[in-house]
Amino acid sequence: GNSVTQMEGPVTLSEEAFLTINCTYTATGYPSLFWYVQYPGEGLQLLLKATKADDKGSNKGFEATYRKETTSFHLEKGSVQVSDSAVYFCAHRGSTLGRLYFGRGTQLTVWP
Amino acid sequence: DTAVSQTPKYLVTQMGNDKSIKCEQNLGHDTMYWYKQDSKKFLKIMFSYNNKELIINETVPNRFSPKSPDKAHLNLHINSLELGDSAVYFCASSQDAPRDSDTQYFGPGTRLTVL
Repeated sequence: GNSVTQMEGPVTLSEEAFLTINCTYTATGYPSLFWYVQYPGEGLQLLLKATKADDKGSNKGFEATYRKETTSFHLEKGSVQVSDSAVYFCAHRGSTLGRLYFGRGTQLTVWP
Repeated sequence: DTAVSQTPKYLVTQMGNDKSIKCEQNLGHDTMYWYKQDSKKFLKIMFSYNNKELIINETVPNRFSPKSPDKAHLNLHINSLELGDSAVYFCASSQDAPRDSDTQYFGPGTRLTVL
């Protein structure tokens, strides 16, 4: 079946620390992979995506690489800021009908 | 300009009432979606419409009825509201459902509280 597993939070870091949020997926075929971010009180925004194996998505200092062999799409950032505090969702898009399968979200809190 | 908008932002109502949430997108997209986010932040798709036609209908009680008057609007009507319906409901849109890489754009959400 289709599913996404991401590390459970909450994750609490100091400013400028290194961030990794793990994400693995099960899917039919090779779906596009996404990271969405939800800031407090807001809707989801696309953070980055990758559409095929070995692609690296990047945005705002965040990166994730599509690893087909490990079915993973881990999110990383070298130096987090307080403004990065949000909930991060990993997702993959099903091969038909366009539905997104989301992980359960990881709450990130960054302290100054 | 807001790309995907929803009204209302907050909705508090009594059990048993009927309510509607409206969604509009000005992106010219062909496909719109409704997602439900529970209190633990878990997101699950409920419905999807492509050019006003229903293409995804997950296992959702038939008290929930989506309506798409045109491809820019997808409204959600809920009959006989129950406590378990309390959640944040997100509308989203994308250019074309069959294209695997298309990004979905989300509205700000409607927080529904059933008392």
